[in-house]
Amino acid sequence: GAGVSQTPSNKVTEKGKYVELRCDPISGHTALYWYRQSLGQGPEFLIYFQGTGAADDSGLPNDRFFAVRPEGSVSTLKIQRTERGDSAVYLCASSLNPSGNTGELFFGEGSRLTVL
Amino acid sequence: GQNIDQPTEMTATEGAIVQINCTYQTSGFNGLFWYQQHAGEAPTFLSYNVLDGLEEKGRFSSFLSRSKGYSYLLLKELQMKDSASYLCAVRNGQAGTALIFGKGTTLSVSS
Repeated sequence: GAGVSQTPSNKVTEKGKYVELRCDPISGHTALYWYRQSLGQGPEFLIYFQGTGAADDSGLPNDRFFAVRPEGSVSTLKIQRTERGDSAVYLCASSLNPSGNTGELFFGEGSRLTVL
Repeated sequence: GQNIDQPTEMTATEGAIVQINCTYQTSGFNGLFWYQQHAGEAPTFLSYNVLDGLEEKGRFSSFLSRSKGYSYLLLKELQMKDSASYLCAVRNGQAGTALIFGKGTTLSVSS
């Protein structure tokens, strides 16, 4: 498709379980971002990839969170030993190599994670 | 630290003009963005300012004053479909680095 695609759109899991969320960015976009958004809040930055490498992972809340982008396209956000506080909408965004343009982010619809 | 402030909620009527303010204090500055987010949907890009002044795009305009750490989004000829959350975001590093978002302003437009 033409936009950023995220799967699953909804995920319900139990406390302590492992979860993977997938993001397929817009073709040709080199930068990929993960954010999470709680109700009534703005998106909170988690991690940013430029190509295959994590350029900034300062937003990951703790070592239960990990993300990969092995081929510089699709990315997977991995959450171990989920906690109820992890419940949120996880948003993925991508952008062109920003030199020469605004570097605006294009967001996917998000994956809504509910931890029971 | 990084701080982006915007009002939590605003209300307006159809056909009116509304101004949503945003103030920011960040460790660096390399552009300010406004996004629109309808409930349950992805944020969509509205505007970008990196230099002081007004950028106009149809019914929407955005203003930036870097010395004051201040921006506003101006929406004219309001329509019901403009009811949404409006997110102010700052890029505080080099091109390509992540945006820092405010909490968003929920705008309700009534007839």
